[in-house]
Amino acid sequence: SYVLSQPPSVSVAPGKTARITCGGNNIGRKGVHWYQQKPGQAPVLVIYYDSDRPSGIPERFSGSNSGNTATLTISRVEAGDEADYYCQVWDSSSDHVVFGGGTKLTVL
Amino acid sequence: EVQLVESGGGLVQPGGSLRLSCAASGFTFSSYSMNWVRQAPGKGLEWVSYISSSSSTIYYGDSVKGRFTISRDNAKNSLYLQMNSLRDEDTAFYYCARTLSGSYGLDVWGRGTTVTVSS
Repeated sequence: SYVLSQPPSVSVAPGKTARITCGGNNIGRKGVHWYQQKPGQAPVLVIYYDSDRPSGIPERFSGSNSGNTATLTISRVEAGDEADYYCQVWDSSSDHVVFGGGTKLTVL
Repeated sequence: EVQLVESGGGLVQPGGSLRLSCAASGFTFSSYSMNWVRQAPGKGLEWVSYISSSSSTIYYGDSVKGRFTISRDNAKNSLYLQMNSLRDEDTAFYYCARTLSGSYGLDVWGRGTTVTVSS
């Protein structure tokens, strides 16, 4: 089955740029979606199809996807961005939705 | 307001059964495929099941296939998950989530319901 790999944690100072990676075999050929989950809350879609933002998501959130790595980039990080972030794809070979293991973003 | 509200969670013994429901409002439920996603305590997200808008296509995660059954009633704007032969490892928070049109991204999530499997 398809596996997505994320770093367990990323730390960044306020105002700086955070980059969270999601690795998978030829992930660049798939559409990648990203979710933000704050403690005690349901996940929220922040990026879909690699780089599109749902309405209401700040422009500070952006995404890219190429080769074997997709990246969620958060610019001008704020304290309120501290959360767990998950990448997700559809694996057509197994007809499964696949989530990465999640990355905890800590704002220093 | 687009909303999904789960219900039906609770405490059940290993080997028991439980039926979760998800009530949808604020959008044309019959036009969207839906999913169940779960999250064990302190763990990441795990996809459980998918059902297309007309129920013609259904998929299951490997850990629940053969034990769980997803279904929907478009007339009642409701999604269901029948869970049988429950195991300790099924203990989790269960979310229903709408599939973003044209993709397999999940754009609307409910607040979830807790399922605890324990003797």
